[in-house]
Amino acid sequence: KAGVTQTPRYLIKTRGQQVTLSCSPISGHRSVSWYQQTPGQGLQFLFEYFSETQRNKGNFPGRFSGRQFSNSRSEMNVSTLELGDSALYLCASSLARQAGSGRGATDTQYFGPGTRLTVL
Amino acid sequence: GENVGLHLPTLSVQEGDNSIINCAYSNSASDYFIWYKQESGKGPQFIIDIRSNMDKRQGQRVTVLLNKTVKHLSLQIAATQPGDSAVYFCAEKRGGNKLTFGTGTQLKVEL
Repeated sequence: KAGVTQTPRYLIKTRGQQVTLSCSPISGHRSVSWYQQTPGQGLQFLFEYFSETQRNKGNFPGRFSGRQFSNSRSEMNVSTLELGDSALYLCASSLARQAGSGRGATDTQYFGPGTRLTVL
Repeated sequence: GENVGLHLPTLSVQEGDNSIINCAYSNSASDYFIWYKQESGKGPQFIIDIRSNMDKRQGQRVTVLLNKTVKHLSLQIAATQPGDSAVYFCAEKRGGNKLTFGTGTQLKVEL
């Protein structure tokens, strides 16, 4: 079974531009979560999508948004890029049960290789 | 606030020795803990997990111990190999799919 794939793998943008990153989950996985990884802040949760709906959201400004399609593929968008947005953006997928069944459930998240975004 | 942190940023071990990577957490409501391994240029790779109602779980060459009394989590790697060199993260989950990660420990295996 193929793993989580992310495109593009590398991206260079300038301040003020916007960017769209794509994630294809493992076949059959319905939940897609996005994380930002930086040397200073480590791995931080951005948001999670399940059945085309945002189910959880981290503490990031509204410039960060996402969506999920009916085939579970997901995209995240960052508008008005800032230098501090330079990071590795990771996508993770999981089988995911129904919302609310998370307590005690061990719904393993599998990560993709990430997209390295550099903002100049 | 919630915090998942690691005691040591770098751990160096000799090939063949056992490695122990530690993690402290502060939120007693966390119900699920996971260890990930991240090699350079790759995304985090799932190693092993443990529910809060357990205190030990074993996998292939790895063991996770959970001490809820002192809010401490550890990952033990037996017979450490050069391929184990990576950054190791602990993460916690409190329902839903939001993972809160620790800062990471760099494991270096010396030949």
